Amino acid sequence: GAGVSQSPSNKVTEKGKDVELRCDPISGHTALYWYRQRLGQGLEFLIYFQGNSAPDKSGLPSDRFSAERTGESVSTLTIQRTQQEDSAVYLCASSLAGTSGQETQYFGPGTRLLVL
Amino acid sequence: AQSVTQPDIHITVSEGASLELRCNYSYGATPYLFWYVQSPGQGLQLLLKYFSGDTLVQGIKGFEAEFKRSQSSFNLRKPSVHWSDAAEYFCAVGAPDPGGYQKVTFGTGTKLQVIP
Repeated sequence: GAGVSQSPSNKVTEKGKDVELRCDPISGHTALYWYRQRLGQGLEFLIYFQGNSAPDKSGLPSDRFSAERTGESVSTLTIQRTQQEDSAVYLCASSLAGTSGQETQYFGPGTRLLVL
Repeated sequence: AQSVTQPDIHITVSEGASLELRCNYSYGATPYLFWYVQSPGQGLQLLLKYFSGDTLVQGIKGFEAEFKRSQSSFNLRKPSVHWSDAAEYFCAVGAPDPGGYQKVTFGTGTKLQVIP
C-alpha cells in the first residue's frame, strides 16, 4: 500500500511569511508524529497525534509552531512568521495505535524548508 | 529521559569490507532500539528493531545488530558493504511515554561513505 506522503517536498520562503506543511499518513495509522531535522543533527521531536488529539506538544519550539489533524488522517504543521532558524527538513511519521511503545513508525520523505 | 550517542559522524569503508556502526544509549529500563537508514532525499527506512528476546537482531539489506545490556550498546553490522549502502544511519531508542505513546529519541546519525 501507499506509504507516508508529505507535501511540498521543498519550500523556499521569505523570513516573516507563514508556511503550511502537509502529511498524509498510512491509511489506518492513528498515531502521527512530526519531527524536525536540522542540518547535521538528529531528529528532533515536535508533536504527536493520537487520532485528532495531540496529547504531547512539548516539542514545539515556540508558539509560532502549531499543528492540527483532521479525520484521523491528514495533518498540517504551520509555522507562522518564519525565521531563518526554522530552515530544516520536517519529517512526518505514522504508526498503528498502541500504548506499548513497540509500534514501528513509518516515515515520509520530508519537506525541506528554506527560509531566506 | 532516554538518550542516544552515535560517536562516529562519518565513516568510510571500501566496498566488500565489513562495517560496524556504533550506538550507545541511556535508558533506565529495557529499551526499544531501532536502526534507520536515510538515503539522500529520502525519508527514514527502518532497518531493524529490538524489543526483547534474542539479542542478535537480523534486519533488511543484510544488516544485523546486537543488543549488549552490559555495554548499553546496540551496534549495527554488515559483513560486506555494497556501494548502495552509502547513506546516513540513525540509531534510536524508544520507550512508552506516560501519555501512552512511543517516545523515540534519535542519535545524530553516522554518514557512511563507500569507496570502490
